[in-house]
Amino acid sequence: EAGVAQSPRYKIIEKRQSVAFWCNPISGHATLYWYQQILGQGPKLLIQFQNNGVVDDSQLPKDRFSAERLKGVDSTLKIQPAKLEDSAVYLCASSLSGGYSEQYFGPGTRLTVT
Amino acid sequence: AQKITQTQPGMFVQEKEAVTLDCTYDTSDPSYGLFWYKQPSSGEMIFLIYQGSYDQQNATEGRYSLNFQKARKSANLVISASQLGDSAMYFCAMRAPGGYNKLIFGAGTRLAVHP
Repeated sequence: EAGVAQSPRYKIIEKRQSVAFWCNPISGHATLYWYQQILGQGPKLLIQFQNNGVVDDSQLPKDRFSAERLKGVDSTLKIQPAKLEDSAVYLCASSLSGGYSEQYFGPGTRLTVT
Repeated sequence: AQKITQTQPGMFVQEKEAVTLDCTYDTSDPSYGLFWYKQPSSGEMIFLIYQGSYDQQNATEGRYSLNFQKARKSANLVISASQLGDSAMYFCAMRAPGGYNKLIFGAGTRLAVHP
């Protein structure tokens, strides 16, 4: 069974530029999560989708971050414009459902904003 | 609000010995779940073990066991017979209430296994 796929693995941009990350969850997983992991910290949930609907985006900086999950499968997270403090690893995870089911994580995208 | 605290930024252990990684949590919800994840240098988070708040027995998965002390609000991970491949970051996490499977992570502990 293929795991959670993410691309790109690494990205370097200048502040005020825009960037997009892509995630393809495990086949059949209804729930998709985007986490931000700043160096030296644990992951923090940015947004959670159940199929193609948002169930939690309370910690998403909506003035600059946006995410979508069209057709309830893969997802894109966008930052526009990027700030220095957005430098982090962006982890995508998926689970069978939004209830008490195990989350499977992708390898992450390491973003550096200069 | 829910919170996870990992007070050990780094730990080291000799190969084949056991090591305990500390985790304390704070929640007012009587129903919660506690997780441990391993994050090697490659970046992905690997699920290790789970403990539900109502589980009577401490969880075990192979060389991993969870020392769950509910009254102390602690959920320490014990790794027995450490191997060089256990060198990684380890994160304790708690499922937030609300039924949406949101995880709240601690800051992590870096474990180094020495030969």
